[in-house]
Amino acid sequence: EIVMTQSPATLSVSPGETATLSCRASQSVSNNLAWYQLKPGQAPRLLISGASTRATGVPARFSGSGSGTEFSLTITSLQSEDFAVYCCQQYFNWPPWTFGQGTKVEIK
Amino acid sequence: QVQLVQSGSEVKKPGSSVKVSCKASGDIFRSYSITWVRQAPGQGPEWMGRIIPIIGATNYAQKFQDRVTITADKSTSTAYMELSGLRSGDTAIYYCARVDYDGYFDFWGQGTLVTVSS
Repeated sequence: EIVMTQSPATLSVSPGETATLSCRASQSVSNNLAWYQLKPGQAPRLLISGASTRATGVPARFSGSGSGTEFSLTITSLQSEDFAVYCCQQYFNWPPWTFGQGTKVEIK
Repeated sequence: QVQLVQSGSEVKKPGSSVKVSCKASGDIFRSYSITWVRQAPGQGPEWMGRIIPIIGATNYAQKFQDRVTITADKSTSTAYMELSGLRSGDTAIYYCARVDYDGYFDFWGQGTLVTVSS
């Protein structure tokens, strides 16, 4: 099973600033990496697939990069609605699918 | 429009079972598989299993293999996830999601909170 590790666990950022989140896979997943946004009381939202392809309707301030075992999600000009938990997921070798533990982006 | 609508919150006693439903819109059942994921408080999402509704084939995570059953009713486009032998550690939000052809989860249900408490 591929283990996904995210860092940091919590990121404190001021509105308007940039947040950079990291995700590491225990073995290469090529570019089969997705990012999701999770908010309390809402359905999780797909942000990025293929490590860098934004899902339909996702603002351009969200960008993903990386391949193999190292990935990042960058959120520029943070808006109030962007404060949430972000999780990465590998879909290189499924099933099983595996997720990272999540990074909480909170208001500084 | 793709929609996955789940059943409401549940409170269960330890040792009992819970069955959560997920009603799908459109042609999801004919063309996609449905997966179930849970998120316990303070933890990351955890994949539980999936079903290919058109043929009824299932895959389960090893951790839940002995306790989870995923089924699908094609006549109502509804998927079900039943978890037995509930314990306090099963308290979580349970989600269903559509699996895109490439393997990521592109549409999700709103989640169902299951609380296990004596």
